[in-house]
Amino acid sequence: SQTIHQWPATLVQPVGSPLSLECTVEGTSNPNLYWYRQAAGRGLQLLFYSVGIGQISSEVPQNLSASRPQDRQFILSSKKLLLSDSGFYLCAWSPSELNIQYFGAGTRLSVL
Amino acid sequence: GIQVEQSPPDLILQEGANSTLRCNFSDSVNNLQWFHQNPWGQLINLFYIPSGTKQNGRLSATTVATERYSLLYISSSQTTDSGVYFCAVLTGGFKTIFGAGTRLFVKA
Repeated sequence: SQTIHQWPATLVQPVGSPLSLECTVEGTSNPNLYWYRQAAGRGLQLLFYSVGIGQISSEVPQNLSASRPQDRQFILSSKKLLLSDSGFYLCAWSPSELNIQYFGAGTRLSVL
Repeated sequence: GIQVEQSPPDLILQEGANSTLRCNFSDSVNNLQWFHQNPWGQLINLFYIPSGTKQNGRLSATTVATERYSLLYISSSQTTDSGVYFCAVLTGGFKTIFGAGTRLFVKA
C-alpha cells in the first residue's frame, strides 16, 4: 500500500534562516505531489504541485520554492525565513490518473 | 476563481446526535473530496465524490453537481468525530480549492 512520509513534525527556526522540508511517497510510481500551507487552523492553501521530476508549478508567489529531485521526493525550501512563513505545512500525493489526494502528517513551523 | 463555502463554521453536538455539513461551490467541478482533520492535524480522506451518494459506516455524502453543493452526513456522532471537516474541489488542472472548514465538537 502507499504511504507518505513528511518530516520533521515540528520545527522552530529563527527569522532569516534557511528551510528544508522533505516529503517522500512509497508504494506508487509517478505520483502527483503537492505542498499546502494551513494558517490559523483553517483552510489549506496550495503552494506548489508537481506532475513529474523537475516539473514544479507555483500557485502563490512567495518566499518559498519547491523541488522534485526524484520521482517520489518533494522538497519545500526557503533561503531566508520570514515571520509570516510560520504555519502548518502539509504534503500530499495523488495518483497521476486521478486527483484523489492523500496527505502526510504535516510539519508545524514556527519562525521566531 | 471558484468559491467554496462551508456551513456551519462551528458545530457542537451531544454524543449520539446526527448532523449535516454543507459545501457550496460557485462553478462546475471535476472532483470533490471530503476530509476530516483530527486534533493532531492529520487530514484523513472521507470521500471522493464528484457526484452521487456514498456511504461509509456512520458517514455518508451526497454531491449534486448540477446544483453545486455537497452534503456530509454524520449519524450517531462520537467524541472521536471531533475536529475540522473540509471539502475540497478541483475545477481543472491540479489547482485544488479548500473550503474554510466546519469545526465540530462532540460532547460526551
